[in-house]
Amino acid sequence: GAVVSQHPSWVICKSGTSVKIECRSLDFQATTMFWYRQFPKQSLMLMATSNEGSKATYEQGVEKDKFLINHASLTLSTLTVTSAHPEDSSFYICSAPLSGRLDNEQFFGPGTRLTVL
Amino acid sequence: SQQGEEDPQALSIQEGENATMNCSYKTSINNLQWYRQNSGRGLVHLILIRSNEREKHSGRLRVTLDTSKKSSSLLITASRAADTASYFCATEDGGFKTIFGAGTRLFVKA
Repeated sequence: GAVVSQHPSWVICKSGTSVKIECRSLDFQATTMFWYRQFPKQSLMLMATSNEGSKATYEQGVEKDKFLINHASLTLSTLTVTSAHPEDSSFYICSAPLSGRLDNEQFFGPGTRLTVL
Repeated sequence: SQQGEEDPQALSIQEGENATMNCSYKTSINNLQWYRQNSGRGLVHLILIRSNEREKHSGRLRVTLDTSKKSSSLLITASRAADTASYFCATEDGGFKTIFGAGTRLFVKA
């Protein structure tokens, strides 16, 4: 099956710093990728849709200036958490659909655990 | 945003028993998928059922879909301790977005 990777798998940072998380589709091209956030013992919440070559689309309540998304190529999307604070600590997961498949199955990355001190 | 509800929120059973989890959703869908997530880990895709399908099997998994009631169920037969995980349903509405339910935490006691 298709593989999506994320880097880093975990990161600890000080409050006020910015953190960049990468999402890569390893063996397929993804014009669209999705970013989710998951707090402990909760479900995945869709944050934004990342579109190659154009601006990301953010879900209601997600600050676009705080969560910067760049989809610079067909295999890479990055999420930058700017001026991170402890409340941003969460598990961030990306996904990508395999273009051309009728069933539109999503392939998920392994996630990045962010801890902001 | 979340698509809907799952019940039960938590389920504890003995090894060998069957586990049934239900999912309800709110909007029209193209397909519904079930995922498993072990604690603190990524998602594992279990099964996808299209909106024109009513039932699907994969190994010990059986998924049903009732589009008139906007609901789906996941049955795990002959459960094992290794099935302990959180299970999520997710729906795709044709816009490529996958929206997750609240999830069911399953604990299988050995």
